[in-house]
Amino acid sequence: DVKVTQSSRYLVKRTGEKVFLECVQDMDHENMFWYRQDPGLGLRLIYFSYDVKMKEKGDIPEGYSVSREKKERFSLILESASTNQTSMYLCASSTTRTGGTEKLFFGSGTQLSVL
Amino acid sequence: TQLLEQSPQFLSIQEGENLTVYCNSSSVFSSLQWYRQEPGEGPVLLVTVVTGGEVKKLKRLTFQFGDARKDSSLHITAAQPGDTGLYLCAGAGQGAQKLVFGQGTRLTINP
Repeated sequence: DVKVTQSSRYLVKRTGEKVFLECVQDMDHENMFWYRQDPGLGLRLIYFSYDVKMKEKGDIPEGYSVSREKKERFSLILESASTNQTSMYLCASSTTRTGGTEKLFFGSGTQLSVL
Repeated sequence: TQLLEQSPQFLSIQEGENLTVYCNSSSVFSSLQWYRQEPGEGPVLLVTVVTGGEVKKLKRLTFQFGDARKDSSLHITAAQPGDTGLYLCAGAGQGAQKLVFGQGTRLTINP
């Protein structure tokens, strides 16, 4: 089975801190995504990457950056955490090599609280 | 911007009852997916529908894609407590590279 692993289940940080959220997948997927999930808003795409060292902005990239130095790892960075970034963060990966509609495999999420 | 509206946002019913969840848009999608998310876990794909009017069944769950490919429904027959979770629809726009998610329907099945 595909496994997408997020490094932390829960994180508590202070306003202004630099925060790193790590995600690793073990299925050699070329595509990786970072979403945030807030009640009543569904999943909103922050950034995605279709290849190593490549990144594309999603719908809500402000206040975030990403890094993809290796194919299996996709990191989300909050340069200066703010309270409105308190949320559940979900990492996902997929492949389009098999053709058809992309199927996302999600990690279990990181619940980030910024105080 | 393509949007997907799910209804209802919350649904709490008794075990054994039937229910339908809707996913609507004014945009046309090339395909539509349904995911289920259980507490403490990420969403897991249940089904993908790609053809207008397509119906897919997964045990007691029936998924339908609208003829115009703008909407979808999920019908659960004889709901069980194990069906409890957050149900998310996600659409792939024509030519778009990324999925658009609805806001989710939180379903609770009471024993």
